[in-house]
Amino acid sequence: GAVVSQHPSWVICKSGTSVKIECRSLDFQATTMFWYRQFPKQSLMLMATSNEGSKATYEQGVEKDKFLINHASLTLSTLTVTSAHPEDSSFYICSVRLQSYNEQFFGPGTRLTVL
Amino acid sequence: DAKTTQPPSMDCAEGRAANLPCNHSTISGNEYVYWYRQIHSQGPQYIIHGLKNNETNEMASLIITEDRKSSTLILPHATLRDTAVYYCIVRYMIYNQGGKLIFGQGTELSVKP
Repeated sequence: GAVVSQHPSWVICKSGTSVKIECRSLDFQATTMFWYRQFPKQSLMLMATSNEGSKATYEQGVEKDKFLINHASLTLSTLTVTSAHPEDSSFYICSVRLQSYNEQFFGPGTRLTVL
Repeated sequence: DAKTTQPPSMDCAEGRAANLPCNHSTISGNEYVYWYRQIHSQGPQYIIHGLKNNETNEMASLIITEDRKSSTLILPHATLRDTAVYYCIVRYMIYNQGGKLIFGQGTELSVKP
C-alpha cells in the first residue's frame, strides 16, 4: 500500500501558539487527503477533506479558521492549528486516497500537546 | 454512508481464529464494506474490503452475508500482535469515486496467550 508520513510525530507547544503538521504521500500522487482527530479512548473523527489545488471541505463543527489546511501539491498537505489551546491536544492523523484504488491509507499520526 | 454496529470488545486465544462481526443492515447497493484496525497510538491500517463476494488476502478473510446486512472479519490464526481496535466501515463507491471513511467505535480485540 501507499506510504504516508507525518511530521512531526509529536509536538508540545504553549497555549496561543500555532503548530503546523505535515502529511506526505511518499510513493503515490494523492489527489485527495483527509485529516482526522482522535481524543483518548475515542474513535477517529473526520475533520476535513482536501483536494489538491482547491479549498478544503470541513466537517460540521470544525472551525476552518482555526484548523488551516493547505494541499499545495499532489504529495503534501499541511494542517495548521492556530492559536492552540489545551483542548486542542489530540492525536491528528492524515489519510491519503488514491484515485485509482479503492483503499485509503493512513499516516502514523501526530500527537499534539498544548500546555 | 450506512452505519455499522460492532461489539465493543472481544477476546481471542493466541493461535485460534478471531471472528469479528459487524452489522450494517441499512447498507445500499453501491456501498462497500471496509475493515481497518488501529494498534495503540498508531494510524489505522487497511485490512480488507468487499462488496458482496467473500474476500481473502494475506491478512484476513471477509465473509459477507447474501443479503449484505452483516459481515465477519476472520483472522485465521490470531497472534498477540493482532491486539487492536478493529473498525468496520461502509463506504459508497461508484465510478471509482468514493465517499468518506467515517469511523464508528470499533471492536477492541484482545489476543491472549
